[in-house]
Amino acid sequence: NAGVTQTPKFQVLKTGQSMTLQCAQDMNHEYMSWYRQDPGMGLRLIHYSVGAGITDQGEVPNGYNVSRSTTEDFPLRLLSAAPSQTSVYFCASSYLDRGEQFFGPGTRLTVL
Amino acid sequence: DAKTTQPTSMDCAEGRAANLPCNHSTISGNEYVYWYRQIHSQGPQYIIHGLKNNETNEMASLIITEDRKSSTLILPHATLRDTAVYYCIVRATNFGNEKLTFGTGTRLTIIP
Repeated sequence: NAGVTQTPKFQVLKTGQSMTLQCAQDMNHEYMSWYRQDPGMGLRLIHYSVGAGITDQGEVPNGYNVSRSTTEDFPLRLLSAAPSQTSVYFCASSYLDRGEQFFGPGTRLTVL
Repeated sequence: DAKTTQPTSMDCAEGRAANLPCNHSTISGNEYVYWYRQIHSQGPQYIIHGLKNNETNEMASLIITEDRKSSTLILPHATLRDTAVYYCIVRATNFGNEKLTFGTGTRLTIIP
């Protein structure tokens, strides 16, 4: 199994640009989520999904959209990038009936 | 979820047991204690979790006090690869869709 994969690894955007961060998992996990991590801070939940077609907001959802059309994929869209969205983004997945979450390697995003 | 308190940083000699404390004095009777670690900019990695009893797996042991107000993660024979930030997290359920609330964790440095 590849586990949780994320692309791209690095990305630089200009203010106002849009882009999609990709996340995929091959473990047939029902639950997927996106976190962001700012320097020196813990991870904060952006959006999550408990299955295909179902998404919900976490604690910092503003400026981001998600969709879950398949079990495997959970893309995160930045609608109009702002410097405040400069961060490292992590995708995670898990089975609904088990507490262990598996994290991807992260996408390091810089917005100029 | 109950708040956790961890030391900001700790050192441990290579080959020795690393004991990482966590205080969660407001934990409720049905809340679980989870431990994750993050090795230099990688995605967090699940280590272990428990409710009341002590737990052990191939990575670590988790000792929870009888009153459940604190716990200790034990890495029995620390190696240089164990240098990481360790997060103690209290969660309301043992289900995958329960969000993880990351604090700032303990930065553990293994000294050669």
